[in-house]
Amino acid sequence: EPEVTQTPSHQVTQMGQEVILRCVPISNHLYFYWYRQILGQKVEFLVSFYNNEISEKSEIFDDQFSVERPDGSNFTLKIRSTKLEDSAMYFCASRADTNTEAFFGQGTRLTVV
Amino acid sequence: GENVEQHPSTLSVQEGDSAVIKCTYSDSASNYFPWYKQELGKRPQLIIDIRSNVGEKKDQRIAVTLNKTAKHFSLHITETQPEDSAVYFCAARGLQGAQKLVFGQGTRLTINP
Repeated sequence: EPEVTQTPSHQVTQMGQEVILRCVPISNHLYFYWYRQILGQKVEFLVSFYNNEISEKSEIFDDQFSVERPDGSNFTLKIRSTKLEDSAMYFCASRADTNTEAFFGQGTRLTVV
Repeated sequence: GENVEQHPSTLSVQEGDSAVIKCTYSDSASNYFPWYKQELGKRPQLIIDIRSNVGEKKDQRIAVTLNKTAKHFSLHITETQPEDSAVYFCAARGLQGAQKLVFGQGTRLTINP
């Protein structure tokens, strides 16, 4: 069964450093998302991406965040200068079309120290 | 924007009993309502979903009901088993475009043997 894969599973970084979280969505999917879940809290939307551009972004997704789909398979989330409060589990998700469910990756746990 | 409220935050039931989790949503344009099960440290897994043209959907021990007029939907788990213990999230989404999922706060369900 195809699945969304994310790397790394756990990333520890120093405050102020840049991190790139990587995702490989399911191959025929068209819609891509990043969500964040702070420990013990709900899943929060960060950004959606379709047709090689951002469709929507939340208030969390400020100028420190960016997304790219550089090569038609990978979908990356970059945080330019990490803050302690960026520590969370980051989930990538993808969806085939407007009438289908979203599939989540296994997540990347980001710890900013 | 959409806001999803979920209750209760924790629920403890005896094995074999039923569990009910309720959600309300604010945006009448939302028309897709999935439920996710999340085990500790794992990705959210879709367990059942319902679209707004349907009032009820059942899959073995799991059922979801939707009341569009009242803007609420519920998850029902019957004959609960220890492996049902997890955090359950409801979500809401519009069916058009690259619509994001808006999640409820989650319910920690514990099944007592």
